[in-house]
This record gives sequence, structure tokens and C-alpha cells, in this order.
Amino acid sequence: GQQVMQIPQYQHVQEGEDFTTYCNSSTTLSNIQWYKQRPGGHPVFLIQLVKSGEVKKQKRLTFQFGEAKKNSSLHITATQTTDVGTYFCANGAGSYQLTFGKGTKLSVIP
Amino acid sequence: DAGVIQSPRHEVTEMGQEVTLRCKPISGHNSLFWYRQTMMRGLELLIYFNNNVPIDDSGMPEDRFSAKMPNASFSTLKIQPSEPRDSAVYFCASSIGTSGSTDTQYFGPGTRLTVL
Repeated sequence: GQQVMQIPQYQHVQEGEDFTTYCNSSTTLSNIQWYKQRPGGHPVFLIQLVKSGEVKKQKRLTFQFGEAKKNSSLHITATQTTDVGTYFCANGAGSYQLTFGKGTKLSVIP
Repeated sequence: DAGVIQSPRHEVTEMGQEVTLRCKPISGHNSLFWYRQTMMRGLELLIYFNNNVPIDDSGMPEDRFSAKMPNASFSTLKIQPSEPRDSAVYFCASSIGTSGSTDTQYFGPGTRLTVL
């Protein structure tokens, strides 16, 4: 699948602040999946976006897929210490496999 | 329901030794993936199988690495001989793998390999 670039690589926020991570590609993506990996844990699926301009919400998490399907974002409102971890976007090229970004590591300062 | 099962969870070995990592995918899943995760390189796909057949092994680092899937419920990743630079966390993941589209992948807990 196509390479995806994630920014920022690291983010430190005060508890209660918002957090956003971005996933960018130079080519059109067929779909985007987001995963979360807690420290010492394994990646866990959060959501999949398929349609242009799609927006999905899960409680304090908002996921967007760009109109051109070349970028995606994950926004967390009012972060909590339970949000700590690394967030990965992954591109599926219509095949079975995923190409993962490098991830954004989120630290939340209580 | 049992998720993806990996063993061992931790492995410490000496350079030159053979290492075998094991994975049992979720029952009914047809695709199985082996990943390696390091700080420097992130999460890398090594190989994936569909219906027990290796589909893409272009991520396998070199001939020292080999993977097999003798049946739908078991896969192994073998490193022979192991080297210190193989130290990493190795994840196995599985997905339904029948639709032809990109399915959710379910990861196992990983095997943390340390080669001294």
C-alpha cells in the first residue's frame, strides 16, 4: 500500500487539553484505519474511514477523512490519562494488507 | 472469545541460536500477518498469508527469517541464526480476509525478543 506520513511524532499535552494527529499521503487512499497502542501493549483497531469527507465520532475521539482522500486526522477532545499511547494510521490498498504510519506518541501530563 | 495467541511472550537468546515464534490466529480468520516493531523502524510487515498460502514476503529481512503456516490455526516465524539486531517485538495479527477489501486486523500480545 501507499506510504502514509504521520505528524507529529510526539505530543505532550496537559490533561484536559485537546490533541490532534495527522496522517498524510501524496496519493489518493482507498481507505484509512486508525489503531491505538498502549505502552507495552499491542495495536488495537479504533475505526475505518472509506468515504471522501467522512467524519466519525467515538465519544471524545473524532476521525476525519479528507475530501481528496489524501489525508486523515484524529482529534481527541479534553484528553485524559487513559488516552496515553501511540496512535497509528494505516492505509489499506484494497488488498488484505495494511501499511502503517510511524505513529504519534501521546503523553498526557496529569 | 480467544484473541490471537502468541508464544512465547518473552524470549532471550544468544546470538547464533535459532528462535521460533508461534501464533494461533482467531478461529475463522483467513489472513495472518507477521510484524516486527522497533523504535527506529516502527511497525514493519514481514509476511502475510491468506488461506495458509504466503502472499507477500517482501518484508522478510533476509534468508535468516522464514515463516510457515501449516494449517489455518497455526503459524511460525523462525530466525536462524539470530543476531542482536533482530531484537524487537514481533506481532502476529489476523483478519477475516475473505472480502478482498481491507479488513480490521486483530493483533496478538507480541513476543519481545532479545538477542544478546
